[in-house]
Amino acid sequence: EIVLTQSPGTLSLSPGERATLSCRASQSVRNNYLAWYQQNPGQAPRLLIYGASSRPTGIPDRFSGSGSGTDFTLTISRLEPEDFAVYYCQQYGSSPRTFGQGTKVEI
Amino acid sequence: EVQLVESGGGLVQPGGSLRLSCAASGFTFSNYWMTWVRQAPGEGLEWVANIKEDGNEKYYLDSVKGRFTISRDNAKNSLYLQMNSLRAEDTAVYYCARGEGGNAYWGQGALVTVSS
Repeated sequence: EIVLTQSPGTLSLSPGERATLSCRASQSVRNNYLAWYQQNPGQAPRLLIYGASSRPTGIPDRFSGSGSGTDFTLTISRLEPEDFAVYYCQQYGSSPRTFGQGTKVEI
Repeated sequence: EVQLVESGGGLVQPGGSLRLSCAASGFTFSNYWMTWVRQAPGEGLEWVANIKEDGNEKYYLDSVKGRFTISRDNAKNSLYLQMNSLRAEDTAVYYCARGEGGNAYWGQGALVTVSS
C-alpha cells in the first residue's frame, strides 16, 4: 500500500497570498496518477488536479499541480476567499487507492 | 448533467447489515469504473472499493475485505455496496464517485451510523 503524507497539516495564510501544499508518497506513483481535491465542510470533494498536473475543465488556473515519482505539489497562486478549505491528494496508480490525511488552508 | 445519488444509509447496530445504492445519470454508466469512498466524522477521506466497467474486477480496502461487497447493474445504471458485519469504525459518510481515481464526479453522500 502506498502511504501519502501531506504537509503541512495546517497552512495559515491571507487572501492574495500563495499557497504551496506537499504530498509525499512512500513509493513511486505509477504513471504519476496523483490527484488533488478540495473539500469544504458538508460537501463532497471537488477534483482540482489529475495526472499530477492536469486541470479539469472549469478549474481556475490559479490552481496548478507539479511533481513526479514520490514528490508532488499543489500550488494556489493567489488565494481567493473561497479557497480556504481542506485539500487532499490521492494516488490511483495502484490498489488500494489511497488518500493523504489532508492539509487545511485557513485564514 | 452527470448526477450520482446515494441512498440506503441509516442507523444500524454493530454486526448488522446495510446496502447502499448509487443511482447514476447523465453519462454512459457502463463505460466507467465506479468507486466508493468514505469519510468518518471529522476525519479524512478513505477509499473503500472500486469496480470495473463490466463488474469483473473489484478491489477493496483491507479492513472491509470479506465484509463489504461492491457490485453494479449496468442495465439499471446503479452501483451498490453491501455492508455486512458492520462495526462502529465503519460509521461514515459514504460517497460514490465516477472513475477509478482522479474522480471528477461525486454523489452527495449517505450517512451510515453503526451504534447500539
